[in-house]
Amino acid sequence: DIQLTQSPSFLSASVGDRVTITCRASQGISSYLAWYQQKPGKAPKLLIYAASTLQSGVPSRFSGSGSGTEFTLTISSLQPEDFATYYCQQLNSYAFTFGPGTKVDIK
Amino acid sequence: QVQLQESGPGLVKPSQTLSLTCTVSGGSISSGDYYWSWIRQPPGKGLEWIGYIYYSGSTYYNPSLKSRVTISVDTSKNQFSLKLSSVTAADTAVYYCARVPVMITFGGVIVHDAFDIWGQGTMVTVSS
Repeated sequence: DIQLTQSPSFLSASVGDRVTITCRASQGISSYLAWYQQKPGKAPKLLIYAASTLQSGVPSRFSGSGSGTEFTLTISSLQPEDFATYYCQQLNSYAFTFGPGTKVDIK
Repeated sequence: QVQLQESGPGLVKPSQTLSLTCTVSGGSISSGDYYWSWIRQPPGKGLEWIGYIYYSGSTYYNPSLKSRVTISVDTSKNQFSLKLSSVTAADTAVYYCARVPVMITFGGVIVHDAFDIWGQGTMVTVSS
């Protein structure tokens, strides 16, 4: 299986901050990477697919980049509703593994 | 607007079989444009892909669970189902169903970009 790591695992930030989360794959996955946002008690919500394509309806302050083994999710100006846990997922090969998550908390 | 809804028992005894159903509304499960997936999340932990199914019945499972998992589809009811046998406390989790869009490359290979629509999830506890 392809393993994904995320850094940091926990991030404390303030409203208006620029936030960057990194996801690294144990082998190349081209651009088959998605990012999800999950709030407590809720299902994950798709933010970014194909590494850099914004899902319809997702605010433009979210952006994704990268290919191969290193990817980033950037929130350009953190809003109160963005405090959540963020997961990356590779879809290059089975078993479609997820990263361990990055929790973004209020500073 | 397509919606997915999980249903099934919230409590299962150890060694028994966990059975869940996902009902798709607002769209047809028989559309050739999607696979239909199960994912789980133990309390306080991360996400684990269980497997998925095409409307034709073609399935792919996570190798770590393959010996215990069966996913089936009922196109007449617009539902797909999960069975997980010989459960233990380690199978206690929130179970989600999700839709997975299909893309076909120039070489005829099926690929996916994301799990784009998720159900709200259902908590299943394994306990005697």
